Amino acid sequence: DAKTTQPTSMDCAEGRAANLPCNHSTISGNEYVYWYRQIHSQGPQYIIHGLKNNETNEMASLIITEDRKSSTLILPHATLRDTAVYYCIVKFNTDKLIFGTGTRLQVFP
Amino acid sequence: EAEVAQSPRYKITEKSQAVAFWCDPISGHATLYWYRQILGQGPELLVQFQDESVVDDSQLPKDRFSAERLKGVDSTLKIQPAELGDSAMYLCASSFRTGSDEQFFGPGTRLTVL
Repeated sequence: DAKTTQPTSMDCAEGRAANLPCNHSTISGNEYVYWYRQIHSQGPQYIIHGLKNNETNEMASLIITEDRKSSTLILPHATLRDTAVYYCIVKFNTDKLIFGTGTRLQVFP
Repeated sequence: EAEVAQSPRYKITEKSQAVAFWCDPISGHATLYWYRQILGQGPELLVQFQDESVVDDSQLPKDRFSAERLKGVDSTLKIQPAELGDSAMYLCASSFRTGSDEQFFGPGTRLTVL
């Protein structure tokens, strides 16, 4: 069973920040939050992951609430190429990836 | 940049026929994964290898599916006989080791069973 809840779809204007929420209210202390995305007809691509602290890399930022029950993936300046399905996954670092249905992000001009 | 290679990219077959998919992981990656993705759903893990050994095949339909990674490098996933419900995208991924933060996915093989 998926441990996360994500909106089915979201829209974002090109150049604006895309904020993708994820609810994981049953997360346990040592479980990480991972984000992957899947562009149409391609394999999934790792974006970022975190445990407690906020994380940033060249692709995105991950904001985890203090109680760790939810998080937000931020794409600071969305482009048309960011149109994809975004998957939020909660797991121990040794566990396998279990994908839900994700959030379909549509970036429009 | 190193990538996971898969072939073929597309496969159309008739039910009851045998099909095989090939995957070449990123060099040096000890862990290899096969996933199945049905249209509209997220990928589902079928089998995981650590080097040449299977470490998780709990979701692999063993009556018709088989997977091997004989030399701990490339891998083959076979379906025999194929059924209509096997139509899906078959994705291969690799990681440096089990528990690595990042899995690298190939482009997938789209299977259509008629």
